[in-house]
Amino acid sequence: DGGITQSPKYLFRKEGQNVTLSCEQNLNHDAMYWYRQDPGQGLRLIYYSQIVNDFQKGDIAEGYSVSREKKESFPLTVTSAQKNPTAFYLCASRVQAGNTIYFGEGSWLTVV
Amino acid sequence: SQQGEEDPQALSIQEGENATMNCSYKTSINNLQWYRQNSGRGLVHLILIRSNEREKHSGRLRVTLDTSKKSSSLLITASRAADTASYFCAMLRETSGSRLTFGEGTQLTVNP
Repeated sequence: DGGITQSPKYLFRKEGQNVTLSCEQNLNHDAMYWYRQDPGQGLRLIYYSQIVNDFQKGDIAEGYSVSREKKESFPLTVTSAQKNPTAFYLCASRVQAGNTIYFGEGSWLTVV
Repeated sequence: SQQGEEDPQALSIQEGENATMNCSYKTSINNLQWYRQNSGRGLVHLILIRSNEREKHSGRLRVTLDTSKKSSSLLITASRAADTASYFCAMLRETSGSRLTFGEGTQLTVNP
């Protein structure tokens, strides 16, 4: 089946650790996105990438890093510099010339 | 931030009633989209309206767009308990390429 796969679904991080959230898509989409969602809130854009080896900061990029070495993969690293990382993280993608954005099922990150 | 603002934040209605949600935004857009999110899941695309359109229908959904007021509304007619979810508007900005930003969302509860 075509779609966007995020892993892990649940992740616990100790303070001071870096963690990486995986996002893989087999839709042959050009653009990929990472959003953060806090409970009861909307989505805030962390990073996005329009093509391989290129990405741009969103509204809340501080404390996060990404890479786009392959078209189908857009991993997000939550670094120790992110002081309040506990949230729901959503990965998404779309065809460059298209409008609809497709979402993965999300990853819950909790700092313990 | 270029996010939109939605109101109401929460809406509770009885099955069979209509539900109306509003979205306002700040900058010029190419199109505006509405998405639905069930609790703890990814978002699902519902409907898209382009900046040169004023109204669009899809099944029980009706979307309007007023670019002079920078606002949009989503109407769900004859609501069902299964419509209970959060609804978000999303804006694709003219000058931002692939950047897609979301409103804060409306939590809709449809009581059986």
